[in-house]
Order: sequence, then C-alpha cells, then structure tokens
Amino acid sequence: GENVEQHPSTLSVQEGDSAVIKCTYSDSASNYFPWYKQELGKRPQLIIDIRSNVGEKKDQRIAVTLNKTAKHFSLHITETQPEDSAVYFCAALRGSNYKLTFGKGTLLTVNP
Amino acid sequence: DAMVIQNPRYQVTQFGKPVTLSCSQTLNHNVMYWYQQKSSQAPKLLFHYYDKDFNNEADTPDNFQSRRPNTSFCFLDIRSPGLGDAAMYLCATSGTANTEAFFGQGTRLTVV
Repeated sequence: GENVEQHPSTLSVQEGDSAVIKCTYSDSASNYFPWYKQELGKRPQLIIDIRSNVGEKKDQRIAVTLNKTAKHFSLHITETQPEDSAVYFCAALRGSNYKLTFGKGTLLTVNP
Repeated sequence: DAMVIQNPRYQVTQFGKPVTLSCSQTLNHNVMYWYQQKSSQAPKLLFHYYDKDFNNEADTPDNFQSRRPNTSFCFLDIRSPGLGDAAMYLCATSGTANTEAFFGQGTRLTVV
C-alpha cells in the first residue's frame, strides 16, 4: 500500500521567513496530492493541492511542487505569519480506489 | 453551512460497551472516509467507500465496523471499545478522484 513520509516533524521559523515541508510517496499510481492545515482541536482543512499532470501550483503565499519521477512533493510558505502556526499534513490519493493516505504531519511554529 | 456533519461531537462510552458514530453529508459525494486520529498523530484511514463499494484497511481492527445505508449517511460502529480506541474520529467526503476531501468536525471518543 501507499506510504507517505513527511519531514520535518517540527519546524520553527521567524515571522516573515519561508517554511518548506517535504513529502515522499511510494505508490506510483497516486495522482493527487493535497496539503491540509489542522489547528488544535479543529478539522483538517485543505490549503492547496496538486494533480499529477502539474509540476507546480501557487496560491498567494503558498506553493506546492511535484516531482513525479522522484515521487516527492513539497509545500512552500513564504512571508510566514503567526497565524500560519499549525500542523500541516501532506497526503496522496490513489485515483483508482480513492484511498487517501496522510503523512505524519509537521508542527509549524511561526515566532513573532 | 456545515457540509459534513458528525454526531455527536463528544462521546463518552464505557469499556466494552458498543458505540456508534454517525456522519452525514449534504454534498452528494460518492466517496466517504473514516479516519482515526490520536493526539499529535496523523489521521489513520480505517475504511472508505465509493458509493456502496466498501474498502477495509488491512490493519483496521475487527472491533471496528462500518455501514453506509445511502449516499448521505455513514456510520462507524465500535463493538467493544477499549481504552486504546479513545481518539478523534474524522469523517470525510470527496466527489471524485483528484478532488478535495471535506472533513467533518470530528467526534472525540472517550472510553472510561
């Protein structure tokens, strides 16, 4: 089955700096890669996603890159703000059976 | 407006006493997921459905069962809850492959 590895497990940055979180996946049949933000006690919420036919996607301060050959994808947050502090999860979906597998998460702390 | 609704938000059950968690959706999505999330961990997939096609993860304990009587509703039954089953249970839905999964607010289960 699919295995999604996520690094780092914790990340602390100063406000205004950039943050990068990296994930790798094992199943070459995975074709959709969402990123979720989860604040304490709340549900995961999608912040950005990328499909396997696209190499990069950007939405304001957030960007995601995908390297299908290497089976890795990354989340980039620029100009970080304290409200970006949360746990971020990457995930991979196998389209043929809709199985959505999560990475272990990254606790991002943005220090004012 | 809530699109994926889980009931109850908080559930306390006695050790060994069967409990049922429910999830409903107003999105008419084909795919529904049940995840277990323990503190500071990633959501762990227990089951998912595409319409009535049921997919059980290999490592989901036999103690956990699921039912999906129609498109809108899905239930998670825990036949004999143990202390180790205390967790947040998250339901999610998605329309088709390569689209966002929407999460409910979760049910926090406590076993006493």
